[in-house]
Amino acid sequence: AQSVTQLDSQVPVFEEAPVELRCNYSSSVSVYLFWYVQYPNQGLQLLLKYLSGSTLVKGINGFEAEFNKSQTSFHLRKPSVHISDTAEYFCAVSEAGGSYIPTFGRGTSLIVHP
Amino acid sequence: KAGVTQTPRYLIKTRGQQVTLSCSPISGHRSVSWYQQTPGQGLQFLFEYFSETQRNKGNFPGRFSGRQFSNSRSEMNVSTLELGDSALYLCASSLEGGSVGETQYFGPGTRLLVL
Repeated sequence: AQSVTQLDSQVPVFEEAPVELRCNYSSSVSVYLFWYVQYPNQGLQLLLKYLSGSTLVKGINGFEAEFNKSQTSFHLRKPSVHISDTAEYFCAVSEAGGSYIPTFGRGTSLIVHP
Repeated sequence: KAGVTQTPRYLIKTRGQQVTLSCSPISGHRSVSWYQQTPGQGLQFLFEYFSETQRNKGNFPGRFSGRQFSNSRSEMNVSTLELGDSALYLCASSLEGGSVGETQYFGPGTRLLVL
């Protein structure tokens, strides 16, 4: 069975600074990877997903993530954050050939300070 | 196109009671999944319905049940509520489900507080 570890529970950063949210996964088979964002009092919204092909994936709101198979990682990055990026970010994984239902990490709270 | 809607948004119940939550998927979506989100356990998958049939099930006790209607609307029911059932319950819909590439669209959730 697959599992996801988000290494930081909270990441504080100043506005306009770059940010990286870390995600590592564990699986014995090929995987599909996702990043979701949850704003306060809202549901989850898909930021980006990796299914195959280029390991650098670009998503909405200026976010991108890079799939690194050897390090089993899928870190999320943004070169310059805004106050409005303050939210909870979830990494998720699905196994190829298995149930498409994703397993979610515990989440990382991104706090952007002015 | 309207998004996924969930009702009610907030609910307060007492231990031992039962509760029913409702989810209306995006028009044309046939797969509906339910998740429980708590600070301690994070996001956990409850079950998924497709064409009125439960297709996938997470590791939750039988007190948690659900159903889907012919218009794809779904309800979940929790009987004999426990304090630990306090959580945000999220519903997500997708066109067909069953495909790992398919995007799930989440509703805003129902926040349940059990006293």
